[in-house]
Amino acid sequence: GEDVEQSLFLSVREGDSSVINCTYTDSSSTYLYWYKQEPGAGLQLLTYIFSNMDMKQDQRLTVLLNKKDKHLSLRIADTQTGDSAIYFCAERHSSASKIIFGSGTRLSIRP
Amino acid sequence: ETGVTQTPRHLVMGMTNKKSLKCEQHLGHNAMYWYKQSAKKPLELMFVYSLEERVENNSVPSRFSPECPNSSHLFLHLHTLQPEDSALYLCASSQDAGGTTNEKLFFGSGTQLSVL
Repeated sequence: GEDVEQSLFLSVREGDSSVINCTYTDSSSTYLYWYKQEPGAGLQLLTYIFSNMDMKQDQRLTVLLNKKDKHLSLRIADTQTGDSAIYFCAERHSSASKIIFGSGTRLSIRP
Repeated sequence: ETGVTQTPRHLVMGMTNKKSLKCEQHLGHNAMYWYKQSAKKPLELMFVYSLEERVENNSVPSRFSPECPNSSHLFLHLHTLQPEDSALYLCASSQDAGGTTNEKLFFGSGTQLSVL
């Protein structure tokens, strides 16, 4: 089946690292994505990782993929107030014309 | 600006009304999508169009009727909706829809629909 799961909420202190976790069920996923949704806006692609990689780093963002456990995480270093948003994990199958999304994790930053 | 524009931003309608949501993309993409976003639920794919042909229809009730007159425009026609259809409806586009390429989605800001 197709299922992407994430926790709904995460609260971190400004300046700390945020780690958002995601699990998925389909082992044939080719690409896995993190999208960010700010209030009143649509989703914007933040980063992605190909399924034959286990890590990707892009400035403050680090994506880790454990394909054996079907676990994806997004680490945001030095979290800032501008990082407040909903973060969606998504997967793409090799044979499908669709990308499956999770419920989104709402990240809130406390001073 | 993502290059995908949705109108209207907000819509309130009664259960007997007929209305349409509009999406336009200025990115030269070949694929367009409708997603439904409800609170605390996964983003739900409704329809996928590739080169104006519907390639995916995820068991969506017939009270939602999509239309793709060309690769730049996508509509969602609504009639006799239910209160549980209230949600944020997001349009997206990508260069292509299928295969093994890394298709990145570009989303509009959505239409917040309330059904009374």
